[in-house]
Amino acid sequence: ETGVTQTPRHLVMGMTNKKSLKCEQHLGHNAMYWYKQSAKKPLELMFVYNFKEQTENNSVPSRFSPECPNSSHLFLHLHTLQPEDSALYLCASSQDFSGSSEQYFGPGTRLTVT
Amino acid sequence: GQSLEQPSEVTAVEGAIVQINCTYQTSGFYGLSWYQQHDGGAPTFLSYNGLDGLEETGRFSSFLSRSKGYSYLLLKELQMKDSASYFCAVRDNQGGKLIFGQGTELSVKP
Repeated sequence: ETGVTQTPRHLVMGMTNKKSLKCEQHLGHNAMYWYKQSAKKPLELMFVYNFKEQTENNSVPSRFSPECPNSSHLFLHLHTLQPEDSALYLCASSQDFSGSSEQYFGPGTRLTVT
Repeated sequence: GQSLEQPSEVTAVEGAIVQINCTYQTSGFYGLSWYQQHDGGAPTFLSYNGLDGLEETGRFSSFLSRSKGYSYLLLKELQMKDSASYFCAVRDNQGGKLIFGQGTELSVKP
């Protein structure tokens, strides 16, 4: 078990489906993040959790719902998504919020909404 | 707010040196980081500059000048495996979130 893992790696879902993305970190970090990466665009921060408490919701639509049951696990619940939500969803963790705190990224979930 | 600008594409030859620039407008940040992302892979941390000046790690160096709102990543002795996207990112000093530039796609040619 190394670093940050994400499941599933690929997901195709219809607009009426409900699915969840899972992230797990084995690094003993205190902060976890969800990012969205669309083609030719910067990584967009979606949610931030610090010690299981949500500290940032970057104006994300309510069809995305995060959950952090403990400092090692992070979920992103999806429902009634739109085709424009198709993207790579990346999870990351860091020791804390200090300036030099490196973020470790998972491999991402490639989501396609049909 | 924070805004980071990078060239969208850079092409260089194997064995050469390449510099990828990042200019920013920011109201304040803790430091600037560089990340590498291969196609289909996860971003991985390359370097961090908390203070002005040059940081060197092997074939990679990163420079920061806060007064000029400017950073660059220098890659020496380029290898084919260096073909990837490179992102600069600043950690906002109001909340601590990491804000990324749009990325520079580096293509290394034989």
